Amino acid sequence: GAVVSQHPSRVICKSGTSVKIECRSLDFQATTMFWYRQFPKQSLMLMATSNEGSKATYEQGVEKDKFLINHASLTLSTLTVTSAHPEDSSFYICSAPGTSGSDTQYFGPGTRLTVL
Amino acid sequence: DAKTTQPNSMESNEEEPVHLPCNHSTISGTDYIHWYRQLPSQGPEYVIHGLTSNVNNRMASLAIAEDRKSSTLILHRATLRDAAVYYCILRGAYSGAGSYQLTFGKGTKLSVIP
Repeated sequence: GAVVSQHPSRVICKSGTSVKIECRSLDFQATTMFWYRQFPKQSLMLMATSNEGSKATYEQGVEKDKFLINHASLTLSTLTVTSAHPEDSSFYICSAPGTSGSDTQYFGPGTRLTVL
Repeated sequence: DAKTTQPNSMESNEEEPVHLPCNHSTISGTDYIHWYRQLPSQGPEYVIHGLTSNVNNRMASLAIAEDRKSSTLILHRATLRDAAVYYCILRGAYSGAGSYQLTFGKGTKLSVIP
């Protein structure tokens, strides 16, 4: 099946710094990718839809100026958490749909962000 | 999106079959039933999906009630590696890449006992 990778797998940063998380589709192209956030013992919450060549679409309540999304190519989307605070500590997961019309989503392994 | 209801947790003995139920009484005629699972500290992975007919693949079987208001994910022989949270998700028919987004509920945490 298709593979989606994320980098880094885990990151620890100081409060106030910015962190960039990369999501790559390794063997297929993805014009759309999705970013989710998962707090401990909770379910995944969709944050935004990343669109190649255009602006991301953010879910209600997600600050677009804090969570910057750039979908620069057909295989790469990045999420930058700007001025991170401890409450941003979470498990961030990206996903991409398979080939056009496919009903399958492929998820990355996730990035564990800890803000001190 | 139509809502799904799943038990919070279930237990199974290793090498026994597991039936994970999902209720979706408000499902619409064009909603597909998807199942994903999430192993600890990993991203979710696709398990199976269907519309009306029962479906089988190498991972599991999906039994869909005739009125489509419920479905059951069947793991034929549970292994320790099947311990995960299983999510039952309804998604409408494909209408462009943006329609691929999935809305996750709380899922069922499956524990497998050796």
